[in-house]
Amino acid sequence: SQQGEEDPQALSIQEGENATMNCSYKTSINNLQWYRQNSGRGLVHLILIRSNEREKHSGRLRVTLDTSKKSSSLLITASRAADTASYFCATDGNNDMRFGAGTRLTVKP
Amino acid sequence: NAGVTQTPKFQVLKTGQSMTLQCAQDMNHEYMSWYRQDPGMGLRLIHYSVGAGITDQGEVPNGYNVSRSTTEDFPLRLLSAAPSQTSVYFCASSYRETGYGYTFGSGTRLTVV
Repeated sequence: SQQGEEDPQALSIQEGENATMNCSYKTSINNLQWYRQNSGRGLVHLILIRSNEREKHSGRLRVTLDTSKKSSSLLITASRAADTASYFCATDGNNDMRFGAGTRLTVKP
Repeated sequence: NAGVTQTPKFQVLKTGQSMTLQCAQDMNHEYMSWYRQDPGMGLRLIHYSVGAGITDQGEVPNGYNVSRSTTEDFPLRLLSAAPSQTSVYFCASSYRETGYGYTFGSGTRLTVV
């Protein structure tokens, strides 16, 4: 069963704006990951944040983790048309990573 | 280029036919897994392997078999295809089952008619 649940399901913004996606999960985790999937492609790993970390940056990406609220957010700053994709959070299960249904981000030029 | 290679990219099967989806990685990853992706449902784990000779079932294993004779290869076999198996299948690999990022293949789009 899915562990993470992304919100919103879809997001449409203008190029240059920031995009924020949220992920909520139900059970305690050791780490949470974010992935991007371009249409018709496989998922690409973006960033991993461990349960003892609160914030992590990678280029234009900023991920936060609040274990007390069982939630994470992914912020993409100064978005570009090339950021158009689906974004998934994944949390560690017993023997795998459990993926949510994703947020579909559209960045309009 | 290092990564996960899946073949074929597209496949149409008739109900009852069998086939094997191939997956190979060249990163010496111990962990490999198969997911299926259906609209609105995210990725669901079919089978996984934590090393050569070791496989186990995931969330939706019925109708599928796997084997792991080498570290590099992790084929997925559909025993008797059903329309409910129409989906996009992804193979992924990682150093360990959790705690490290997964590398995904580009997927196999399977249609069962």
